[in-house]
Amino acid sequence: DTGVSQNPRHKITKRGQNVTFRCDPISEHNRLYWYRQTLGQGPEFLTYFQNEAQLEKSRLLSDRFSAERPKGSFSTLEIQRTEQGDSAMYLCASSPRKGPSYEQYFGPGTRLTVT
Amino acid sequence: AQRVTQPEKLLSVFKGAPVELKCNYSYSGSPELFWYVQYSRQRLQLLLRHISRESIKGFTADLNKGETSFHLKKPFAQEEDSAMYYCALSGQGGAQKLVFGQGTRLTINP
Repeated sequence: DTGVSQNPRHKITKRGQNVTFRCDPISEHNRLYWYRQTLGQGPEFLTYFQNEAQLEKSRLLSDRFSAERPKGSFSTLEIQRTEQGDSAMYLCASSPRKGPSYEQYFGPGTRLTVT
Repeated sequence: AQRVTQPEKLLSVFKGAPVELKCNYSYSGSPELFWYVQYSRQRLQLLLRHISRESIKGFTADLNKGETSFHLKKPFAQEEDSAMYYCALSGQGGAQKLVFGQGTRLTINP
């Protein structure tokens, strides 16, 4: 197990297009988080899954954003009708079922550029 | 509202000098506090958490509830400590989402 993986690592798209990102958490981690990070800022929480259930969504997550985690394994984050303001690094993290629930293991991120 | 403030965006010290990265937080309950670190071209990783009261790579951090601070300290900085450091907060219960500060870029000069 090499840790949390994210694909693609980089995505360039034109304004108005839809994009989808994938996150594969560490095996058997039941919690999965999405964050967004813009230049010069710390990561900002977007949404959280426990198994397949989406338990919390940030107000940052507009109607154009949707996340899924079918079968409680990998997760996808889709952005519809992208805008230039969506350009950011999108980070995924997972945390285990047992032990301290607060340690989150981060993936390398997907850098989105909207032109 | 949950908020984490790191007042210094950049911090530069010489090798062997003490280093302190400041972190202040705002939270109405009893938070869990963390320091995450991102080395060049690596992913974000946990450095330490206040409940563990441990020293990692020579770094320590004490939670001061009176001053709502969680400053990160190291008595003798090393060049390999150069990285981006983020203070983060998680509330009890709920989703345990992390609220991050804006980060401090630490540079250790030889």
